[in-house]
Amino acid sequence: SVLLYQKPNRDICQSGTSLKIQCVADSQVVSMFWYQQFQEQSLMLMATANEGSEATYESGFTKDKFPISRPNLTFSTLTVNNARPGDSSIYFCSSRDRQGWEQYFGPGTRLTVL
Amino acid sequence: GDQVKQSPSALSLQEGTNSALRCNFSIATTTVQWFLQNPRGSLMNLFYLVPGTKENGRLKSTFNSKESYSTLHIRDAQLEDSGTYFCAADSNYQLIWGSGTKLIIKP
Repeated sequence: SVLLYQKPNRDICQSGTSLKIQCVADSQVVSMFWYQQFQEQSLMLMATANEGSEATYESGFTKDKFPISRPNLTFSTLTVNNARPGDSSIYFCSSRDRQGWEQYFGPGTRLTVL
Repeated sequence: GDQVKQSPSALSLQEGTNSALRCNFSIATTTVQWFLQNPRGSLMNLFYLVPGTKENGRLKSTFNSKESYSTLHIRDAQLEDSGTYFCAADSNYQLIWGSGTKLIIKP
């Protein structure tokens, strides 16, 4: 299995500001995924980040709004730029185990934008 | 339409009873994963399935690839089983998620 840690676990910010969410894995992982989850809804894949290359974004998510860095095989950051109330949700980082089978999730970062 | 259809969307069970959750797939999928999101929001991987059946304690899950469905059986439900259960189809190394089953266990 893979253990993933995120910080902060929650944040409240003003509209128009930016915030950064960090994710650390307890072992090296090839891909890190970032998900967004609105209250009472399913998870939406935002982007996939591999070491040393630009993240691949899903439809509806852009690099300008949600830049992601992946400087090494255990770490990734997601930034939320120009935060809006509509960005209020939980953000999860995720990765698969060494064989690429089971998927694991960090504890999530609950973001509230005022 | 939904590529991964989960049913029921919500369920209330008495402690000690049994139940089954289901996912139907309209996309080609080689493996299925089941997750539990507890009331605090944490996501836990319950099962990773190739076609066949796996069992873990009071939970048993089956993936039938020919008929494109998966089930999750909960036996002797306990209060700590409360939460939202998600299934996800593995398609091209991406998880396609169902909309979840919200399960409440009553004492």
